[in-house]
Order: sequence, then structure tokens, then C-alpha cells
Amino acid sequence: AQTVTQSQPEMSVQEAETVTLSCTYDTSENNYYLFWYKQPPSRQMILVIRQEAYKQQNATENRFSVNFQKAAKSFSLKISDSQLGDTAMYFCAGPGTYKYIFGTGTRLKVLA
Amino acid sequence: DTGVSQNPRHKITKRGQNVTFRCDPISEHNRLYWYRQTLGQGPEFLTYFQNEAQLEKSRLLSDRFSAERPKGSFSTLEIQRTEQGDSAMYLCASSLTGPGYTFGSGTRLTVV
Repeated sequence: AQTVTQSQPEMSVQEAETVTLSCTYDTSENNYYLFWYKQPPSRQMILVIRQEAYKQQNATENRFSVNFQKAAKSFSLKISDSQLGDTAMYFCAGPGTYKYIFGTGTRLKVLA
Repeated sequence: DTGVSQNPRHKITKRGQNVTFRCDPISEHNRLYWYRQTLGQGPEFLTYFQNEAQLEKSRLLSDRFSAERPKGSFSTLEIQRTEQGDSAMYLCASSLTGPGYTFGSGTRLTVV
């Protein structure tokens, strides 16, 4: 079955600190993409970062980076130097037939 | 290019009424997706169009739900005989053949 699991419903981090959000997934595909989306209180989903499973190098976008472990089917998001604007729901998305499957999300609160 | 546009932003309807939502994808995007998101949950896949062809429908899409994408441009999602359980955010996303979606801001439906 194609599933995406986020086991941390809520997390908090002090401003300027680093936080890691976890995600595991299941797929029978060999090459696929994984994504982290951010959904601020305004509710529009915004793509944060993506990783192609074929690439061994972990993706990085400014303060956001991933730790992709293909064999373990693990895909965590690290946010460095956390900012108040990072407060949001974060969703991991993984491969499904014709579409992406989303996890249940992690609510991240950045504390001043 | 103004991104993915969804209308209306909010809809309140009485139980038993029909509602229709519209999604205008990014103009060159040939793929269009509808998802439903209930409070505190991740987006759940409803249906997928490639151009005008509806290629996949979720089991979540009961007989009361219908989606169209005439001419492969905008799409409509209609819910007939609404029920309180239909209350949710309905998200539209579009993409080219490459990976990742661009989401719209969603239509929040409240059935009273």
C-alpha cells in the first residue's frame, strides 16, 4: 500500500534553533519524488522542498534540508535558524498512482 | 500567470443543497487534481484529470460528487445533496508532467 506517515502531530522550537520533522513512506516504486509542503494559517499549500529518489544527495533550499534514507523509506525535514514565519502545518507527500499522497501533518510552532 | 485560482473562497450551504466549485489551473498545466482536507488532517485525493480526461477517482468520491474539466482548462467539482460530513476545505492543484503541484487557496465548504 502507498502510505505516508508523520508521527509528530505537534512540535515547537525556539526562534533561531533547529528542528527536524519526521516522515516515513511506503512505495513499490524505484524512482519517485518526495515533497515537503508548508501550510500557514492562510491555508495555501506551498512547496518547501523536493527530493528525487534517484539522487543520493540530500536536497537543500536555503534553511531547509532533508535527510533522505531510501532503504529505510525515511524523509525528514530539517529547518535551521527557525523563524517566526516558519510557524505552520508541514505535510510530507510521497508517491501514489497518478497523484501524491499526503501525511497527516506536523503542526510546528516557532517560539519567540 | 496568477497561479491556481479557486472560487468561491468560502461557501456556506444548507444540508441537501447542491454546490459547485471552480478551479482555474495555471494555463500551461495539463494535470489537475482535487483534494479534500478536513480540519487537522492532510489533503486526501479525490480525482485527477490529464487534459480533459478524468483518469482516476478516489473511493471518497461518492455518487454525489462529480468533477469535470471541459476542454482541458478549468475544472468544476459539484456536490449534490450536501451532507454535514462534506464540510471541508476543497483544494485544487495543477502541474505539468514534471513533479510537484501548485495548489490553489482552496474553497472552504460549511454545510449547516
